[in-house]
Amino acid sequence: NAGVTQTPKFQVLKTGQSMTLQCAQDMNHEYMSWYRQDPGMGLRLIHYSVGAGITDQGEVPNGYNVSRSTTEDFPLRLLSAAPSQTSVYFCASSRKPGQGLYGYTFGSGTRLTVV
Amino acid sequence: KQEVTQIPAALSVPEGENLVLNCSFTDSAIYNLQWFRQDPGKGLTSLLLIQSSQREQTSGRLNASLDKSSGRSTLYIAASQPGDSATYLCAANRDDKIIFGKGTRLHILP
Repeated sequence: NAGVTQTPKFQVLKTGQSMTLQCAQDMNHEYMSWYRQDPGMGLRLIHYSVGAGITDQGEVPNGYNVSRSTTEDFPLRLLSAAPSQTSVYFCASSRKPGQGLYGYTFGSGTRLTVV
Repeated sequence: KQEVTQIPAALSVPEGENLVLNCSFTDSAIYNLQWFRQDPGKGLTSLLLIQSSQREQTSGRLNASLDKSSGRSTLYIAASQPGDSATYLCAANRDDKIIFGKGTRLHILP
């Protein structure tokens, strides 16, 4: 099925470890974003991309890196995991405005625990 | 900076009632506004998308309205059912990113 695929669904890390959360979409969407969701804080934007080779910071970028080498993939890297990064992470994608129906599609999320 | 606010934060209503969820945003220069549903422990499901040129969208028992000039959107749910219990999120889309409200947690009492 077409959509946004996130892997893994669950992950436990030790403090200081690094890892990459994967996100792939097969809808040829230009825009991709990463969010984290925490109780009482809602969904907060970490990083976003408007096309291959272009990324920018969102509201809470510290401790995370991204790259966009292809239209399909937008991985999120945790450089040195901290307990404060325990959260649920969502990836989303969308067309550019003006190119057909413009709305965001979300992946099913990655639940990350840092101990 | 775009800020999105949802009121109320939580709502409990008896089954069968009609209800309204509110969303306000500070920057009216949006491309569209999107309403999502999130069940506990699950991802986000898009319910309705209102383009900036539209005033409302309907899907089944759901109707969403948009008033850009006042920075407000409402989600109307008719004849509520226990299966409607979930968190409802509105999000304002401005070009390259989408900004969310914190959601309204809805509980329909059987």
